Amino acid sequence: DQQVKQNSPSLSVQEGRISILNCDYTNSMFDYFLWYKKYPAEGPTFLISISSIKDKNEDGRFTVFLNKSAKHLSLHIVPSQPGDSAVYFCAARNTGNQFYFGTGTSLTVIP
Amino acid sequence: NAGVTQTPKFRILKIGQSMTLQCAQDMNHNYMYWYRQDPGMGLKLIYYSVGAGITDKGEVPNGYNVSRSTTEDFPLRLELAAPSQTSVYFCASSFEDRAVYGYTFGSGTRLTVV
Repeated sequence: DQQVKQNSPSLSVQEGRISILNCDYTNSMFDYFLWYKKYPAEGPTFLISISSIKDKNEDGRFTVFLNKSAKHLSLHIVPSQPGDSAVYFCAARNTGNQFYFGTGTSLTVIP
Repeated sequence: NAGVTQTPKFRILKIGQSMTLQCAQDMNHNYMYWYRQDPGMGLKLIYYSVGAGITDKGEVPNGYNVSRSTTEDFPLRLELAAPSQTSVYFCASSFEDRAVYGYTFGSGTRLTVV
């Protein structure tokens, strides 16, 4: 039972344009959401997070939006750069301090 | 600054064999975790530990055992390996009150059971 879903396995974007990665969840009790970035043969690295009491968090080129009514979050990368090419995972925390991960979206930024 | 170190990086096991995946962190994190990632799937929590001497089951603990005798080390033991345990295993760590700022992950161990 996948509580966190990333329905797009892959995404291709031109360099300089916006990348939008989406994530849906089913558990309304999740209180924190995180995005991780993963390069091949490496472990995931933390990118940005958002609390369920907020609807937006921004860090440089990365912005995460949370729509609680739709149980949906998205990661915006503007402008996209070739070095952003990686697999992006969203993760959500339940009240038991356990994180559930999505299946990942592979982003390719085309120079 | 080593962070989280996992060994080995790759391993092929025969069905029924046993092995221990090693994980060590040098950041004095109290929380440590073991995840597995199957192809096309998200990371699933196997076991976690909130401090030395304390471990607890995650989402998919069957077929695995862990121990936490020190703050630094959190080995994962596979007994009687099965093909269903073919996966990439990630160890991670965090401070308990900073988990929402993300875990530090190791680079993974790719395990194949044949």
